[in-house]
Amino acid sequence: DGGITQSPKYLFRKEGQNVTLSCEQNLNHDAMYWYRQDPGQGLRLIYYSQIVNDFQKGDIAEGYSVSREKKESFPLTVTSAQKNPTAFYLCASTKGAYGYTFGSGTRLTVV
Amino acid sequence: QKEVEQDPGPLSVPEGAIVSLNCTYSNSAFQYFMWYRQYSRKGPELLMYTYSSGNKEDGRFTAQVDKSSKYISLFIRDSQPSDSATYLCAMSHNAGGTSYGKLTFGQGTILTVHP
Repeated sequence: DGGITQSPKYLFRKEGQNVTLSCEQNLNHDAMYWYRQDPGQGLRLIYYSQIVNDFQKGDIAEGYSVSREKKESFPLTVTSAQKNPTAFYLCASTKGAYGYTFGSGTRLTVV
Repeated sequence: QKEVEQDPGPLSVPEGAIVSLNCTYSNSAFQYFMWYRQYSRKGPELLMYTYSSGNKEDGRFTAQVDKSSKYISLFIRDSQPSDSATYLCAMSHNAGGTSYGKLTFGQGTILTVHP
């Protein structure tokens, strides 16, 4: 079955540490997105990519980095510069102007 | 002011009730309107989508878009306990270029349907 796989499901980060969240899709979608979800704030866009080797900053890109070396993969790195990284992170992909397919998310906690 | 405003609730209704969920928006360029349902600790799933103004019905769910008022609604008839979830409205515009496909979400409304 086609879909988006995010891993790990739960991730714990120590202060000053970089961590990478994985997102893989087998839907042959061109565009991929990373969102952050905090309680009561909906989804906020971190980064997005419409083609391989190209990506754009979203509304809250500071402290995050991404790469898009393959169409299927769009990993997100949460760097030590992100001061409040505890959140639920969602990866999505789409072929057009609507109808995202979301992964099941990664819950990141700072310890 | 946020581009998309959604009452976060929480909203609690008895089984069988009609539920009305709403969003307002400020960007008149939005053309595509969606509703997503998100169960706890899961990713959102697309429930309904409409293009421009009008109504769309799918089983117990009806989506309405009023572009003149910049207002969208989702109605759930004969609500069930399995409808308990967070409902997110989302919108995008057809500007092309780097904005194509980029969604703007409301804050989400937490709905509980109790037996």
